[in-house]
Amino acid sequence: ETGVTQSPTHLIKTRGQQVTLRCSSQSGHNTVSWYQQALGQGPQFIFQYYREEENGRGNFPPRFSGLQFPNYSSELNVNALELDDSALYLCASSATGGSGRWNEQFFGPGTRLTVL
Amino acid sequence: SQQGEEDPQALSIQEGENATMNCSYKTSINNLQWYRQNSGRGLVHLILIRSNEREKHSGRLRVTLDTSKKSSSLLITASRAADTASYFCATEGFTGGGNKLTFGTGTQLKVEL
Repeated sequence: ETGVTQSPTHLIKTRGQQVTLRCSSQSGHNTVSWYQQALGQGPQFIFQYYREEENGRGNFPPRFSGLQFPNYSSELNVNALELDDSALYLCASSATGGSGRWNEQFFGPGTRLTVL
Repeated sequence: SQQGEEDPQALSIQEGENATMNCSYKTSINNLQWYRQNSGRGLVHLILIRSNEREKHSGRLRVTLDTSKKSSSLLITASRAADTASYFCATEGFTGGGNKLTFGTGTQLKVEL
């Protein structure tokens, strides 16, 4: 267990709906990254939040948005769901080093989203 | 988009044998990491090798990195049934913000008794 938790575990939504996924980072970590993993593929980077601000974004449309809270937990929001959004959504927490170096990322168990 | 490819896509071996997986990537990197994933669940970090390192060991794991060929290999020695999982390489390149990981497509390893 990494200490990173995600909720819910599974979710079924209909095309066009909106969804919010949640992630609690490991104690002492100030950075959360979100990844989308389609079936049979490797995870793809969505975006990263560091100290409550977006700090890097992958090739995902604006309907994918996020938040990070003062306790460093995070949300991923997806609007206007499409069938291709069906995937495992993983969050990972990490902590910067004193020199600004980025450390190992610890992954949560993921949220499996199915869009019908 | 994926950074690169793992090879082979699937590997089936007998318990006690060694398993070797290869990873190729496309761009310059700060480090390369290997992860394991069981049954579509969360990723478990196995080992990190920095761009100025050529080989690294951790228990039964041995990782090599050849930056001139943009490739890496993961060797699992004396495999066990519990090693059955998908294995992914991931590269980290400093893009001016954060430590984005770019994953390969994965190798599915099956270790049979």
